[in-house]
Amino acid sequence: GAGVSQSPSNKVTEKGKDVELRCDPISGHTALYWYRQRLGQGLEFLIYFQGNSAPDKSGLPSDRFSAERTGESVSTLTIQRTQQEDSAVYLCASKTRDMTVTDTQYFGPGTRLTVL
Amino acid sequence: RKEVEQDPGPFNVPEGATVAFNCTYSNSASQSFFWYRQDCRKEPKLLMSVYSSGNEDGRFTAQLNRASQYISLLIRDSKLSDSATYLCVVPPDTGNQFYFGTGTSLTVIP
Repeated sequence: GAGVSQSPSNKVTEKGKDVELRCDPISGHTALYWYRQRLGQGLEFLIYFQGNSAPDKSGLPSDRFSAERTGESVSTLTIQRTQQEDSAVYLCASKTRDMTVTDTQYFGPGTRLTVL
Repeated sequence: RKEVEQDPGPFNVPEGATVAFNCTYSNSASQSFFWYRQDCRKEPKLLMSVYSSGNEDGRFTAQLNRASQYISLLIRDSKLSDSATYLCVVPPDTGNQFYFGTGTSLTVIP
């Protein structure tokens, strides 16, 4: 079946512009995560959605970052007034259930964001 | 101390060699662990899960040492296709944040 998809695959923008990144999780997956991976670094947790519950936004680095998800469908990550330090690969992952941490996260291919 | 720490490498090994990576974690309450593989400019993919003392899958063996709070990944008979970055992942004890190591880079040389 279809995996997690993300768009765009690459995004080049100018400093100060807003960008919107999209994630389509695997159908039926209730949990969705956004991560940021800077070059040569590990994954940084950004935000977590579980169904219609309030999202866990504890990883968002600043108020320029926001994310939305309607039910168990598509999620969008928005970065306002982008800065060069925002340049990274933004990865989305989905998981079947949130009641156990033993379930596998399936990652999308990521969006490579470059802020000039 | 970071939640998860890995030796970044790089590990350069010849084909057929055995190589092992370690990953240390700080939360003694952690019960399960994962090794993910990430190819260059690709997304991470699950390689192995570790729930008890260890897990073996073909050429790959993951072991858990709770007393010393580390997990290891052993790759036997290395193949060229094993070249990748291997990420150690610790799920949350509470909350939702999975902790990813920075990864260990492996290059298998012909």
